[in-house]
Formats: sequence, C-alpha cells, structure tokens
Amino acid sequence: DAEITQSPRHKITETGRQVTLACHQTWNHNNMFWYRQDLGHGLRLIHYSYGVQDTNKGEVSDGYSVSRSNTEDLPLTLESAASSQTSVYFCASSERRHTDTQYFGPGTRLTVL
Amino acid sequence: DQQVKQNSPSLSVQEGRISILNCDYTNSMFDYFLWYKKYPAEGPTFLISISSIKDKNEDGRFTVFLNKSAKHLSLHIVPSQPGDSAVYFCAASANDYKLSFGAGTTVTVRA
Repeated sequence: DAEITQSPRHKITETGRQVTLACHQTWNHNNMFWYRQDLGHGLRLIHYSYGVQDTNKGEVSDGYSVSRSNTEDLPLTLESAASSQTSVYFCASSERRHTDTQYFGPGTRLTVL
Repeated sequence: DQQVKQNSPSLSVQEGRISILNCDYTNSMFDYFLWYKKYPAEGPTFLISISSIKDKNEDGRFTVFLNKSAKHLSLHIVPSQPGDSAVYFCAASANDYKLSFGAGTTVTVRA
C-alpha cells in the first residue's frame, strides 16, 4: 500500500544544532507540505512544494528550510534549533488539484533543550 | 492572523447523541472546506469535505453544513460513538493547494 512516512518519530536536540526531519511518500504525489502543531494554533504551514525543484515558504517558515530533489522526499531542516521550535511536525502530500485530499504522516515530536 | 477559527476547544457528548462542531472563517477566497480527525500520536486523517457551491455534504454519520454568507461551517456527528473521541480540525483552501487550519476541537464521547 502507498503511504507517507516520517523519521525519526521522536527527537531530542540541543539549542543551536542543525536537525533534519525526513518525509517520504510512495503515492507519487506532486504536492508536499510541512506543518507544525502547537496547542492553541492547530496546524500551521511551514514550507510546501508543488514538484521537484519547487519550494515555497508558508506562514511560519523562519528558521526552517526544505529541498525537493525527487518526487518522493521533502526533508525539513532546522538550521539552528531554538526552543521555540519544540513542536510536533507533520508532513503531508496530495495530488495536483487543490480539492485533492492531503494525506498526513504520523508526525515527529521534536524537543529542543 | 488566524483565518480559520474553532472557538470551542472542547466538547463533551453522551454516546448516541449528536455532536455539533463549529468553524468560522474570514477569507472570502476560500472555496473548499474540510474536516480532519486526529487521534493522539497519529497524523490527521481526512473525514469529510464540502465545496463552496454546495451547502451540505453527507457521509454516513457525518454531515457538513456550509453557510457562505455567515462564513460558517459545522460538522454534525449522529449518533456519536466512543471511537469518535478525537481532536477535529476544520480546514479551508483557496484554490492554491494550501490548507489553513483551525486550532481544533477535542471531542469526548461519554458512555
């Protein structure tokens, strides 16, 4: 079955470290998204991609970067982790149309000490 | 500024009764609306959606109502079951593939 996976599922790091969260989907979807979930805010969009070599900033992109070198993967990098980036991160993917459902991965819980 | 708002952080309902979840939005460009359900330690899963050309969409026990003039939508769950206990997120899209989410409503179904 096609799926979307995230790794690691849990990560503890220190302030100032670079961290990369992996997202891999096997649906061959064009669109991929990264969100963070925080209490009281729901899910907020960090970065998104409409295809290979395409990346765009979302509403909370400061301190994060992404790259899309193939269809299946969209890794999220925290250049210099800050305590404010402690959160649960979700990756999602969808097909081409804006009415196509976004399918979410299981999430990565990141703690920055 | 949050464009999608769920003003009730929690809802408690007895098993077998109706659950009504509400959602308001401010962006008049939104033309597609969705509800996602989320269990602890899992990713959100799609529940039901509605296009702005409709005012109602039904799928089994779940019905979504859209009132465009009021910029309001609601999700009805009838009858509520223990497995419906979860966090429900309202989301909206404006023809650009991105979703704007509300803060979520935690539903607890009491036996």
